Amino acid sequence: TQLLEQSPQFLSIQEGENLTVYCNSSSVFSSLQWYRQEPGEGPVLLVTVVTGGEVKKLKRLTFQFGDARKDSSLHITAAQPGDTGLYLCAGGFENNNDMRFGAGTRLTVKP
Amino acid sequence: ETGVTQTPRHLVMGMTNKKSLKCEQHLGHNAMYWYKQSAKKPLELMFVYSLEERVENNSVPSRFSPECPNSSHLFLHLHTLQPEDSALYLCASSQDTGSYEQYFGPGTRLTVT
Repeated sequence: TQLLEQSPQFLSIQEGENLTVYCNSSSVFSSLQWYRQEPGEGPVLLVTVVTGGEVKKLKRLTFQFGDARKDSSLHITAAQPGDTGLYLCAGGFENNNDMRFGAGTRLTVKP
Repeated sequence: ETGVTQTPRHLVMGMTNKKSLKCEQHLGHNAMYWYKQSAKKPLELMFVYSLEERVENNSVPSRFSPECPNSSHLFLHLHTLQPEDSALYLCASSQDTGSYEQYFGPGTRLTVT
């Protein structure tokens, strides 16, 4: 069974700080997605990365895909209270068509 | 706004009740999914439909019965549930089952008493 491990599980920071969360697997991803889920809502797709070493930016969010396509990181610059939520990574694996979700990182940004 | 709607948003039911969850997608997608989200656990894939045909059933108990009458609508019929079935039930759609980019509805928060 291919698993995605996300770290940290919980993160609480002050407004204006920077942070990085991680998504790791022992298997190679064919593609990887990051989602944000706010309380009482479904996950919302933020980005898809498919190429090893790829970096994508979405305003203050920077997504990086590892060279070996086994890990990814999400960096947020100058976090704001509106960034509060559960950040989920999900990916498909090269050797089958299964898609798996990580358990998520719950981020709280305090004003 | 994701283009995927779910009703009801909240549901409380007894263990002997029968109820149904509804999902509708307005994105023209061909694949639809049911997920269960429990606290501190990864999303659990329950069922996958491609063009109204069920293509995956991840060992889900028979007290959960999906129905996909067309590629825009998906139902989850519930009967004789257990308290441990209380969770957020999420519907999602994607262009097809080969696409990993899924678009989620807001979910139905289910409580079984």
